[in-house]
Amino acid sequence: ELKVEQNPLFLSMQEGKNYTIYCNYSTTSDRLYWYRQDPGKSLESLFVLLSNGAVKQEGRLMASLDTKARLSTLHITAAVHDLSATYFCAVDRGLLRTGANNLFFGTGTRLTVIP
Amino acid sequence: NAGVTQTPKFQVLKTGQSMTLQCAQDMNHEYMSWYRQDPGMGLRLIHYSVGAGITDQGEVPNGYNVSRSTTEDFPLRLLSAAPSQTSVYFCASSYSGLRRGNTEAFFGQGTRLTVV
Repeated sequence: ELKVEQNPLFLSMQEGKNYTIYCNYSTTSDRLYWYRQDPGKSLESLFVLLSNGAVKQEGRLMASLDTKARLSTLHITAAVHDLSATYFCAVDRGLLRTGANNLFFGTGTRLTVIP
Repeated sequence: NAGVTQTPKFQVLKTGQSMTLQCAQDMNHEYMSWYRQDPGMGLRLIHYSVGAGITDQGEVPNGYNVSRSTTEDFPLRLLSAAPSQTSVYFCASSYSGLRRGNTEAFFGQGTRLTVV
């Protein structure tokens, strides 16, 4: 059974601090995604990680993927209040060869950045 | 540049009523899917489609039907609403998983459904 575990589930941090969110998954996967969701809003794509060792950065966020360890991290540098949101990682369910891009989501990490 | 459009945004149903949630995309994506989001459970896949005329069940399909008559549209039907179907529903689309490279999913704005 595919499992995607994120930790922590809740994170409260002060502005200017650094922190890492972890995403562990239980089976091999070709692709891993990070999404952001603001309260009452839709999901916004942040990163797509397609291979082992992939690292992507956008502003204060950096995501990496280690397929051997089945681990992805989302690192936050010098947090600002605008980063407050829920962050989800998702992996594909291994049906890409059928054309299906089915995603299995973690339960999310709710980040609150305190001024 | 509409992307993925869902209607309605909010809906209240009585137990036993039926309704259709609409989803349309204008990006010529082959793949479309429906998820439901419940507190503390992330998003779970209901049904998906890899192209017009092709649909399949996801993780939690019971109580829902879908069809895909065109590339653009992928409606989700609730056959007989139950309180357990109270949730936020998201439609998503992407290029086919067969394509190499980026297949990020684009999500609609969501439909908040309450069944009383």
